[in-house]
Amino acid sequence: QQQVKQSPQSLIVQKGGISIINCAYENTAFDYFPWYQQFPGKGPALLIAIRPDVSEKKEGRFTISFNKSAKQFSLHIMDSQPGDSATYFCAASAGSNYKLTFGKGTLLTVNP
Amino acid sequence: GAVVSQHPSWVICKSGTSVKIECRSLDFQATTMFWYRQFPKQSLMLMATSNEGSKATYEQGVEKDKFLINHASLTLSTLTVTSAHPEDSSFYICSARNSGKAKNIQYFGAGTRLSVL
Repeated sequence: QQQVKQSPQSLIVQKGGISIINCAYENTAFDYFPWYQQFPGKGPALLIAIRPDVSEKKEGRFTISFNKSAKQFSLHIMDSQPGDSATYFCAASAGSNYKLTFGKGTLLTVNP
Repeated sequence: GAVVSQHPSWVICKSGTSVKIECRSLDFQATTMFWYRQFPKQSLMLMATSNEGSKATYEQGVEKDKFLINHASLTLSTLTVTSAHPEDSSFYICSARNSGKAKNIQYFGAGTRLSVL
């Protein structure tokens, strides 16, 4: 049973456009939702994270939107750049468990 | 800050040999470290949770005698793949959780690519 569903599997965006990646979860105990960026052959790097007590969090060009009632959260990348081309993973964890459940990932390609 | 160093970055070994991978938190203490396995174009699969000074907790389906984990200090955890076989070839990644502030955040190492011939 996949607890965090991520879509789309791949995404192609033109430079300067907005990239949107969506995730949905089932476990209502999840209370921490990070997004990670991974380049080929490298480990994931934390981009931005949110807790369910806020509906939106923005850091630079990256924004998380969170809908607790729908059990969905999304990553928006504004003014997408070719350097943003990477695989993005959403994840979730619950309480003091701290174990992350990852989505399947989205391969983002930003064309120049 | 919050740097996790993983070594080696790439290792090739013969079938039947054992390989040790190190994961170090360089600028923070980590009572908990995690070990993941990632196949090409797939997501991260949690293998085990490593707690300093105690036995690791393995996920269902992961052979604890195959993948030995030691977390002897607050800054070092090791994963030993014993009697490696070609099917163990994969990308192994560790992460560390800061024991102090921002407890939820996991910082990842750069990964180790294991190729078993």
